[in-house]
Amino acid sequence: GIQVEQSPPDLILQEGANSTLRCNFSDSVNNLQWFHQNPWGQLINLFYIPSGTKQNGRLSATTVATERYSLLYISSSQTTDSGVYFCAVKPSEKLVFGKGTKLTVNP
Amino acid sequence: SAVISQKPSRDICQRGTSLTIQCQVDSQVTMMFWYRQQPGQSLTLIATANQGSEATYESGFVIDKFPISRPNLTFSTLTVSNMSPEDSSIYLCSVRISGGAGGEQFFGPGTRLTVL
Repeated sequence: GIQVEQSPPDLILQEGANSTLRCNFSDSVNNLQWFHQNPWGQLINLFYIPSGTKQNGRLSATTVATERYSLLYISSSQTTDSGVYFCAVKPSEKLVFGKGTKLTVNP
Repeated sequence: SAVISQKPSRDICQRGTSLTIQCQVDSQVTMMFWYRQQPGQSLTLIATANQGSEATYESGFVIDKFPISRPNLTFSTLTVSNMSPEDSSIYLCSVRISGGAGGEQFFGPGTRLTVL
């Protein structure tokens, strides 16, 4: 099956710093989504981005489908950005998750 | 998007018992899924809940352990049967909006299960 690799696995930032999270996948996909799982376990949809670039406030994402990777940019990080960021891809009918990047933003 | 609710939000159960988790969606959806997230791990698909027919289970998950009902296009239940401490996880309901090859997926708030 498809392999989804996220890097880095852990990231610690000071408030105000910028960061880039990466998602590599091993096969072509119909769908790619980024999620934020907050400390209470809720999965929040960030981006639905099978290709191209999108921005939402301090967050933006780029997917280069032909090269099988996606990047999530977080600018001016805040403590509320802490949690786990998951990339998930859909090569056929099922959404397959990466292992996530655990982000800690310190005040 | 979709608004998804789950009941219960959390529970503590004794080994050998069963728990049924409910998932309610605020609109009719074709595709509904159940996921498990073990402590510190990523999400794993348990099964696709099919309306009017048996659920489709992923490798490693069986109907006797995780029976699923899908009586209509807005509701589903997942039962965790004969529980053991290894079943302690977050169980999440998910729906896919719009058809075709793509379609964005949304997740419920999850049910945090602890088995003693």
